Amino acid sequence: AQSVTQLGSHVSVSEGALVLLRCNYSSSVPPYLFWYVQYPNQGLQLLLKYTSAATLVKGINGFEAEFKKSETSFHLTKPSAHMSDAAEYFCAVSDEGAQKLVFGQGTRLTINP
Amino acid sequence: DTAVSQTPKYLVTQMGNDKSIKCEQNLGHDTMYWYKQDSKKFLKIMFSYNNKELIINETVPNRFSPKSPDKAHLNLHINSLELGDSAVYFCASSLRGGLGNEQFFGPGTRLTVL
Repeated sequence: AQSVTQLGSHVSVSEGALVLLRCNYSSSVPPYLFWYVQYPNQGLQLLLKYTSAATLVKGINGFEAEFKKSETSFHLTKPSAHMSDAAEYFCAVSDEGAQKLVFGQGTRLTINP
Repeated sequence: DTAVSQTPKYLVTQMGNDKSIKCEQNLGHDTMYWYKQDSKKFLKIMFSYNNKELIINETVPNRFSPKSPDKAHLNLHINSLELGDSAVYFCASSLRGGLGNEQFFGPGTRLTVL
């Protein structure tokens, strides 16, 4: 069975600082990995995805993530945080044969002025 | 154009009532899903339909009955609502066999059971 663990339910950074949100996965087959963002009272929007091509994946809004098989990680980063980045972030795993996404518990990102 | 839409956006009802949530997608996808997000923001799949055929049913109580009249619609009917059903319900869609099973989500329906 697949699973995702997001380390830190709440991360707080200053505006302009580096954003690092951690995600570790467990999968017995090559995974597909996703980061979704949820702004308050809204649905989920895809930030980026890893589908076995390049291990460094660039997404929208300046975010990127690196797939590290040896560490079973897919951490999300952004060099410089913006106030508009404040939201809930979800890491999710799937695979080629799966019919569903398995989500981590989410990380709430707060940006301090 | 809205890709995945849900109605209603908010639903407040009494315990014991029956209610429905509707979902429509105009992306040409063949697979649709219902997810439940609890008060701690945890997201868990409930159902998945492919071409109107149920393919995932994640041990959801029988009070929940999904219905897919066609590939573009997946509705969720809930009988005898309970307090614990209060949550945000998200509909999603994808193209089966699409790269990575990328799913597109609707805006959610916040259900409050009093």
